[in-house]
Order: sequence, then structure tokens, then C-alpha cells
Amino acid sequence: GAVVSQHPSWVICKSGTSVKIECRSLDFQATTMFWYRQFPKQSLMLMATSNEGSKATYEQGVEKDKFLINHASLTLSTLTVTSAHPEDSSFYICSAEGLAGGRSEQFFGPGTRLTVL
Amino acid sequence: DQQVKQNSPSLSVQEGRISILNCDYTNSMFDYFLWYKKYPAEGPTFLISISSIKDKNEDGRFTVFLNKSAKHLSLHIVPSQPGDSAVYFCAAKTSQGAQKLVFGQGTRLTINP
Repeated sequence: GAVVSQHPSWVICKSGTSVKIECRSLDFQATTMFWYRQFPKQSLMLMATSNEGSKATYEQGVEKDKFLINHASLTLSTLTVTSAHPEDSSFYICSAEGLAGGRSEQFFGPGTRLTVL
Repeated sequence: DQQVKQNSPSLSVQEGRISILNCDYTNSMFDYFLWYKKYPAEGPTFLISISSIKDKNEDGRFTVFLNKSAKHLSLHIVPSQPGDSAVYFCAAKTSQGAQKLVFGQGTRLTINP
């Protein structure tokens, strides 16, 4: 149980285009999902918290107009990188909040490698 | 402001020996701590956690120790196995407000046969 998928697993795009990444909780409902970014050899940095049916909460320094988050259902959140540039190339990971052992836990997706040319 | 720090970027241990990974935090509001294991190009997988009301939690070969006064936690793996080679992240959160995880920088553990 508690499986989270991401699609696509990797994507290469041209500078200036937009890319959408999907995060799905496959066997549980998640009112809250999180989006992280990881640059090589660095930590996972939280970008935003996505709540179903409401606007996402962005961390300081993350441009909400550039990283559009939509959490339209209890099993799906999407991250759209708009007008992508080479500096947006990174590993994007989502997580979904669910219950494990009576406690709230985050279950992580496998990540999406974005390369912007 | 790095609230969770893993000061050792890498660690090499011989198979069968004990691996000890360390983590320090600065935010005294953190009351729940987790360790994740991560392979390249994959998402983190949960390993073990500990609440601030405890100072030790054990699960098979993995034990996490928490020293609240020193704001320090450690993960012990014994005996270490080649399959344990991965990057290990510690993470912390508070039980109040948003359930945001703050991650350390990670430690790459290599188990040598």
C-alpha cells in the first residue's frame, strides 16, 4: 500500500516550453501533496505544499507563476514548469501524505528528471 | 539557514561492520525525525523514525538514537550489507501546523565487500 507514482519519469524539453509533471497516489487518498526539487548532490528542497481543492502554499523563493500546481482531486497533483529554462533542470519529487501505523507520513514518488536544453 | 545538517557527505564501511550516520538540527520545535534511503533517480524510501518522546527506536538492523539536549540523532546499521549502499537523508518536522519535512543534505554510504 501507499504507492505514489509520477509521470513522466524523465523529460527533455527546449528552453521556453512548458512541462507538466503528474503525481498520483495509487491506493490511498491524499488531501495534501508536496513537491520537492533536488539538484545534484544536494538535499531535497520543498517547493510547495499542495492541498486538494485550494491554492498551493509556496516556499520562500519559489515563483508560483513559474511553477504552477494544481491539486484537483484526492489522488492527483500536477506541477507545471512554465517557460522552462536550463536552470530549471533538476530532479522533481512529489510526496503524498497518508496514514501509516496511525500516524501521518509522507510517501514519495520515484521522481521526474527534467532536462531543459 | 540549514535547519537539518548532515556534515558527512560520504561514509565508507566494510561489510559486516556497523555504519553510523549522523544528523544535527537547530530548530527546537522539531519533534519527529525520520531517516530515508535514496537510490539515484528514485524517490526516497522511508527507513525508520523516532518521536521526540523517545531516545531510541530499533527496527531489525536499523536503530535510530535521539539526543534532544544535543539536538543530534544518529542512524546505526548493523551488520552493514552491500545492499545498504545508498544516500541516506535525515528529515525533521514539527507536529504543529503544516506537516513539512526539512531534509539534511544526505550522506552517501558505501558498503565495501
